[in-house]
Amino acid sequence: AQSVAQPEDQVNVAEGNPLTVKCTYSVSGNPYLFWYVQYPNRGLQFLLKYITGDNLVKGSYGFEAEFNKSQTSFHLKKPSALVSDSALYFCAVRESSGTYKYIFGTGTRLKVLA
Amino acid sequence: NAGVTQTPKFRVLKTGQSMTLLCAQDMNHEYMYWYRQDPGMGLRLIHYSVGEGTTAKGEVPDGYNVSRLKKQNFLLGLESAAPSQTSVYFCASSQGGQPQHFGDGTRLSIL
Repeated sequence: AQSVAQPEDQVNVAEGNPLTVKCTYSVSGNPYLFWYVQYPNRGLQFLLKYITGDNLVKGSYGFEAEFNKSQTSFHLKKPSALVSDSALYFCAVRESSGTYKYIFGTGTRLKVLA
Repeated sequence: NAGVTQTPKFRVLKTGQSMTLLCAQDMNHEYMYWYRQDPGMGLRLIHYSVGEGTTAKGEVPDGYNVSRLKKQNFLLGLESAAPSQTSVYFCASSQGGQPQHFGDGTRLSIL
C-alpha cells in the first residue's frame, strides 16, 4: 500500500535560519510527489512537485525539495525562513494506479519565530 | 478567476438532518475530489470523480453520497448527519496528473 509519513507534528525555526520539513513515502513504481501549504481558514495551495528529472525541485515562495530515492524521502527546504512562512505543510503522493488519487501526510505545522 | 468555490462556508446541523455541499470549478478540470480534514489526520478522500457522470469511493465514503451531473460541479451529500461527520470539508479539482486546486473549505458542525 502506498503511504506518506510526516514524522514531525511541528517544526520551530528562527527567522532567517534554514528550514526543513520532512516527508518519507512508500509507493510501488515511480513516485509522483507534491508539497502543499495551508494558511489558516484557507484551502491547500500547491508549492512544488517531483515527477522525474533533477532531484532538487524548486517551487513557489523560495521553497525547494530534495528527492532521495534511496531514502524514499522528499524533504521540503528553504534557505532563509520568514515569519510569513508559518503555516501547515502537507506532503502528498499520487497513487500509481492511474486513477489520479492522492495520499496526503498528516501535516507539519511550521512556526517561524521572529 | 474564481478557481474552486465551495458553498456554504459554514454550517451547523442537528443529528439526523441532511444537507448538500456544493463545489464548483471554472478550470474545465476532469477530476474532482472531496476530502475531510480532521486534526492530526491530514486529508482523507471521501469520494472522487474522473469525469462528468462518474463517481467513485475514496478512503472514507460511508455516510456520504456524491453526484457529478455537470463537469464543473461536484456535490457532496450527507443523508443523515452524525456528530462524527463534524469536520472541515475540502473540494479539489485537477487535470490528469497535475497538482490539485483546492477550495477554501466548508466548516461543518453536527450537534
